[in-house]
Amino acid sequence: QVQLQESGPGLVKPSESLSLTCTVSSGSIGIYYWNWVRQSPGKGLEWIGYIYHTGSTNYNPSLKSRVSISIDASKNQFSLKLTSVTAADAAMYYCVRGYGYSPHPFGYWGQGTLVTVSS
Amino acid sequence: QSALTQPASVSGSPGQSITISCAGTSSDVGRYNYVSWYQQHPGTAPKLMIYDVSARPSGVSDRFSGSKSGNTASLTISGLQAEDEADYYCNSYAGSNTFYVFGTGTKVTVL
Repeated sequence: QVQLQESGPGLVKPSESLSLTCTVSSGSIGIYYWNWVRQSPGKGLEWIGYIYHTGSTNYNPSLKSRVSISIDASKNQFSLKLTSVTAADAAMYYCVRGYGYSPHPFGYWGQGTLVTVSS
Repeated sequence: QSALTQPASVSGSPGQSITISCAGTSSDVGRYNYVSWYQQHPGTAPKLMIYDVSARPSGVSDRFSGSKSGNTASLTISGLQAEDEADYYCNSYAGSNTFYVFGTGTKVTVL
């Protein structure tokens, strides 16, 4: 059973960049799609984007200008960077593997990491 | 792209059946058979319950079933149990510009 674990700073200052890493264990990062999904406190879910093991990416149009996802297969990790954060970016961030060999549905979730945006 | 519309809350007694709706448009739910449903208990990550409108991942109870009619998808929980009390979210593929849209979420209460 694949396991995913998010890591990164829990506190980010407004206008700075948010950087998170997801470490994949119990399985190779190869041949799968890897997503980031976030959930604002008390609110719903929002898909951020995905990366394929080849490095190909697609992003939510509403975040596209500020987001990038990268992959390091040698470390079995993929990462999220979100620039120019505001209070609206405060959320629980989840890394998620697609179910089967596609980015969707969102089959395997990490436990999530909470990011606060505050000076 | 707006979120898919779900009722804020649905409730039922143990043993009953309930249905949660997920209203989209002809650009998402109505166009693609890529609707999925997720269950989320407080403080935990969402769990995939239904995908491709009506398919169940291995390990998910057959009390959960999905369907779609036009621009609206539905999740039915039969034989409602206390452990089914959770938040439920739908999701749909919405094409190569928007990609994936979630529903607004529904809180299920077992009376």
